[in-house]
Amino acid sequence: GAVVSQHPSWVICKSGTSVKIECRSLDFQATTMFWYRQFPKQSLMLMATSNEGSKATYEQGVEKDKFLINHASLTLSTLTVTSAHPEDSSFYICSATRTTGTKTDTQYFGPGTRLTVL
Amino acid sequence: DAKTTQPNSMESNEEEPVHLPCNHSTISGTDYIHWYRQLPSQGPEYVIHGLTSNVNNRMASLAIAEDRKSSTLILHRATLRDAAVYYCILRGLDSNYQLIWGAGTKLIIKP
Repeated sequence: GAVVSQHPSWVICKSGTSVKIECRSLDFQATTMFWYRQFPKQSLMLMATSNEGSKATYEQGVEKDKFLINHASLTLSTLTVTSAHPEDSSFYICSATRTTGTKTDTQYFGPGTRLTVL
Repeated sequence: DAKTTQPNSMESNEEEPVHLPCNHSTISGTDYIHWYRQLPSQGPEYVIHGLTSNVNNRMASLAIAEDRKSSTLILHRATLRDAAVYYCILRGLDSNYQLIWGAGTKLIIKP
């Protein structure tokens, strides 16, 4: 149980275009979803935290108008990279937490999406 | 969240036990110790977590020092598929379940 999927697994786009990445919790309802970015040979960097039905909380230095997050349901969150540029090329990873009753589980991660902006 | 310190890399032979250390001297009483691992080009995978007592699951064991200022992840019999970056993370109760990621330990398994 506790499987998180991401789509697409990789995407190549032209500079200036927008790209949408989907994150789904397949077998549980995710109260909170997280979006991370990871550059080569570096650790994960938290971009934003989102709770279903409310606005995402962005980390310092992350532009909310550039990285649009929508968490419309308990099983789906989307990250849209608007007007992408080569410096946005990175590995984007989502995660989700599961709550059962009053107990909240650990984070379960998606397989990641490799974005390359030409 | 308190900070953790891990060695940058470790090597081990296949089918031998591996002990991955983590120091967290500023841990607070309510911080949980979480371990994740990340295989190349994949999302992180939960390994184990604990608070005070040692923990075992099908993947690994977690040994927590009595003063909780350090912990050790134990892989009982490493395989080539265990080659990954292992992250030791502290998560507090009031952290909105965020995980603050350090650099981790790159585990190299030699056949």
